Amino acid sequence: QSALTQPPSASGSPGQSVTISCTGTSSDVGGYNYVSWYQQYPGKAPKLMIYEVSKRPSGVPDRFSGSKSGNTASLTVSGLQAEDEADYYCSSYAGSSVIFGGGTKLTVL
Amino acid sequence: QVHLVESGGGVVQPGRSLRLSCAASGFTFSTYGMHWVRQAPGKGLEWVAVISYEGSSKYYANSVKGRFTISRDNFKNMVYLQMNSLRAEDTAVYHCAKDGVPGYGMDVWGQGTTVTVSS
Repeated sequence: QSALTQPPSASGSPGQSVTISCTGTSSDVGGYNYVSWYQQYPGKAPKLMIYEVSKRPSGVPDRFSGSKSGNTASLTVSGLQAEDEADYYCSSYAGSSVIFGGGTKLTVL
Repeated sequence: QVHLVESGGGVVQPGRSLRLSCAASGFTFSTYGMHWVRQAPGKGLEWVAVISYEGSSKYYANSVKGRFTISRDNFKNMVYLQMNSLRAEDTAVYHCAKDGVPGYGMDVWGQGTTVTVSS
């Protein structure tokens, strides 16, 4: 149950696009189309942004999109806004368990 | 409105026990699995355990297996985490979360309750 690999940080200017990667193995990310992404502000509970690799819950802006290729999933935030500055975590189903990534701090410059 | 509220956290000595509770409201609790997820100070999210909607299936992270037990009461809309043999590395904010989307995706989270293991 090793954590999925995410870059510790990412950044972009308002209006730009940023992509955050999430790398696992064939036992988790690569084995199932069950990758989720969560946004977390400091001191707050995480919020589901993407599930099943690319689906958005109602209320999540379409600026957020997800994809997957092999053992790596990605979250893209388009048209960056100041309120997008937060920590982002990926997770994957891993057969009766869940593995999270280490998290990526997104900074809007 | 869907709501999860955790309670039961506190300061406890190593080796002792603690029971966390999570009260659910605003949805048909008995039809959803439930998770516990923790976050150590300054660290990332770590999945702890999951229980199926009717309570018959339970799975745990290796780091807590044999020490923690997840349970639920569908009459009271409650999920619990019994934590035994606590260690310093169990210090974290513990969140309960609703297993609301396929593949163990968590669509509703509580604010969390803080557990500190220290002598």
